[in-house]
Amino acid sequence: DIQMTQSPSSLSASVGDRVTITCRASQSISSYLNWYQQKPGNAPKLLIYAASSLQSGVPSRFSGSGSGTDFTLNISSLQPEDFATYYCQQSYSTPRTFGQGTKVEIK
Amino acid sequence: QVQLVQSGAEVKKPGASVKVSCKASGYTFTNYYMHWVRQAPGQGLEWMGRINSNSGDTNSAQKFQGRVTMTRDTSISTAYMELSRLRSDDTAVYYCAREVDRDSSGYPGRWFDPWGQGTLVTVSS
Repeated sequence: DIQMTQSPSSLSASVGDRVTITCRASQSISSYLNWYQQKPGNAPKLLIYAASSLQSGVPSRFSGSGSGTDFTLNISSLQPEDFATYYCQQSYSTPRTFGQGTKVEIK
Repeated sequence: QVQLVQSGAEVKKPGASVKVSCKASGYTFTNYYMHWVRQAPGQGLEWMGRINSNSGDTNSAQKFQGRVTMTRDTSISTAYMELSRLRSDDTAVYYCAREVDRDSSGYPGRWFDPWGQGTLVTVSS
């Protein structure tokens, strides 16, 4: 199975801050990497697919990069509605696996 | 619009089985795999398995093999996930999610969109 490791597990940031979350795969997954946002009590929501493609309707302050084993999710200017938990997921092979999540909290 | 609507919350006793449904609308059901993911309270996302909505072929995580059964009824565009021999640590929210393999421009990949709203399964004596 491909292991996905996210860092940090949590972070505190202020509105307007730039936030970076990293995700590392245990083997190369090409660009088969997706990012989801989850708010309490809600289902995950797709933000970025195929490592760097912005899902329709998602604000442009979100961006993704990387290929192979190392990936990054960036939020250029954190907004109040962005406080949530973020998960990376590989879709290179089954079983599909997720990172452990990064909780973004208000400083 | 594309939508997945899941069945309601369930309370089960240890050793029982639960069957969760996921009704799809807004797209051709048989053109996409359906995946099942669960989330225990306060925990992360755990992939359980997938079903080819056309052929009915399934793959499941090794952890659930022998306990999980995924089926579909194409006549009503509905996928099902049944988990047997329930234990207290199966208490979780269970999600279905459609897997897309290319975007509207034809760009390839594989991602989950949309997700169902989730079904809380509580296992308690």
